[in-house]
This record gives sequence, structure tokens and C-alpha cells, in this order.
Amino acid sequence: GDSVTQMEGPVTLSEEAFLTINCTYTATGYPSLFWYVQYPGEGLQLLLKATKADDKGSNKGFEATYRKETTSFHLEKGSVQVSDSAVYFCALFSTGGGNKLTFGTGTQLKVEL
Amino acid sequence: NAGVMQNPRHLVRRRGQEARLRCSPMKGHSHVYWYRQLPEEGLKFMVYLQKENIIDESGMPKERFSAEFPKEGPSILRIQQVVRGDSAAYFCASSPTAGANNEQFFGPGTRLTVL
Repeated sequence: GDSVTQMEGPVTLSEEAFLTINCTYTATGYPSLFWYVQYPGEGLQLLLKATKADDKGSNKGFEATYRKETTSFHLEKGSVQVSDSAVYFCALFSTGGGNKLTFGTGTQLKVEL
Repeated sequence: NAGVMQNPRHLVRRRGQEARLRCSPMKGHSHVYWYRQLPEEGLKFMVYLQKENIIDESGMPKERFSAEFPKEGPSILRIQQVVRGDSAAYFCASSPTAGANNEQFFGPGTRLTVL
């Protein structure tokens, strides 16, 4: 079945540091890949997505590239801010997996001054 | 345009009681999804509904859990005879149509605590 594996947190960084959160997946067919962000006490918000191999999703300075050969979708940001502190979820949607998202366990990011 | 609404935001129940969680999708959205987030885990799919129909309930526990999305009114996730293991955050999402290119918009969640 479909599955998503992402690095465990928490990840603690200083402001302006470079961020990488690793995500790999297993899926039937050709999945679409997503990063969602959850701020404290709130629901999930879509951060970015990519629907086919080699696509790059980007938003608010975050980027992730769909790598079919390594089945990965790592999230990166060149310079994090305190306001980026949140939990980040990698997710996939595959046509063979039903009309639902399959999520990783989430990675908590803490950015300090 | 209001987002996905869920209520209550927090719900406390004693073992054996019933829990009813409500979800109002975004305006114009006829597809609703329920996910559960257990402590220290990611979100797990429970059920997918369209108006008046359950399309996929492969993630729902076989007993005590039910869901509906009536023609009028919110979608309801109902948990009968709650147990401590039901304590979790329950998220509802909605989309205008089905498929990967139709973003699922999430509500703020209902945090259920079973004493």
C-alpha cells in the first residue's frame, strides 16, 4: 500500500539557517505529492505540491522537487524565520490508493532567534 | 468565503459516552473527508463522503464509528461508547470535486479527550 516516510523531529534551527526536511514515499501508479503545514492550534494548510516527476513546487520561499528515481520529495528553504515554526507533513495522493491523502508522521520545526 | 468549519474545537467525554463531531465544508464543496491524528502520529484517512453517500470508509474502525453527510447540514462523525484510545484530533477536509488536482481544504480539527 501507499506510505510516506519523513524525518523525525523536532528540528531546531536558528533564524536564517537552511532547512531540509526529508520525505520519501512508496505508492502505486504515479502519485501527486504535497507538503502541508500545521501551525499550533490550527488545521493543515497546503504549502506546495507537485503532480509529476521533476516538477518543483514552491511557495513562501519553500521548495520541493518530485524525484521519481529516488521516490523523494524533500522540503527546503534557504533562510528560515521564527514564523516558520510549525509541523510539516509530507503527503501523497495516488490514483491506486483511493480518493484520499496518505500522510507522513510530521516533522516539528522550531526556529529560534 | 469561510473555510471548513468544525465544532466543537475541543470535546471531553467519559468512557462509554457518545461523541458527535461536526464538519461544515467550504461553500460549493460536495466532497468531505475525515482524518484522525493520534498523538505523535500523522493523519490517517478514515472516510470519504459525497452528499448523502459514503464513497470510501476503508479507514473507519468496524465498530462504534459512523459518518454521514446529509443533503442539508454538516457532515457528522459519530463515535459511540468512546474509549480512551479514541482520544485524538479529528480533522475534516473538503474539496469541490475528487482527484489529485483538487486541493483538500482542512478544518481546524476537533480535539477529543476521553477520560
